[in-house]
Amino acid sequence: DIQMTQSPSSLPASLGDRVTITCRASQDIGNYLRWFQQKPGKSPRLMIYGATNLAAGVPSRFSGSRSGSDYSLTINSLESEDMAIYYCLQHNEYPYTFGAGTKLELK
Amino acid sequence: QVQLQQSGAELAKPGSSVKISCKASGYTFTSYYISWIKQTTGQGLEYIGYINTGSGGTNYNEKFKGKATLTVDKSSSTAFMQLSSLTPDDSAVYYCARVMTDWGQGVMVTVSS
Repeated sequence: DIQMTQSPSSLPASLGDRVTITCRASQDIGNYLRWFQQKPGKSPRLMIYGATNLAAGVPSRFSGSRSGSDYSLTINSLESEDMAIYYCLQHNEYPYTFGAGTKLELK
Repeated sequence: QVQLQQSGAELAKPGSSVKISCKASGYTFTSYYISWIKQTTGQGLEYIGYINTGSGGTNYNEKFKGKATLTVDKSSSTAFMQLSSLTPDDSAVYYCARVMTDWGQGVMVTVSS
């Protein structure tokens, strides 16, 4: 199975900060990488698909990028509603696999 | 709009089975695969497998073969997952998702004697 190594596991940040979360794939997954946001008691929400494409309704302060096997989610000008857990997902090969998650919280 | 409505929470005894449902609306049901995902605090998110809602064909994560059985009822636009021989390790929230884009609200399954 493809391993998705996500870092950091916890990310304290202040409102207005720019933050970056990274996933590294153990094998080539092309751009078959998605980012999800999950808030307590809610199901995951798609934020980024195809590594760099913003999902419908997602604020433009979110962006995705790729450098080789490293995939990043960046949030510019952090807002309180962005506090959540973020997961990456590779869907290039079955079984699909997720990163372990990054908990974004207020410093 | 796309909606996936899952069945309610389950409390089951070890060794028993549960069958949870995922009713789709707002799109052509047979045009998109439905995947199932397990979420626990300890293991995070795990991909169980998918069902081709048109043909009924399935693909399972090796880890869940023999544990999960995916089926579909096209007449009611509903996908099902049966979990068998339950153990406490099966206690989790289970989600269905349409091509990993739209997710159901999740079903909490608790296995306890």
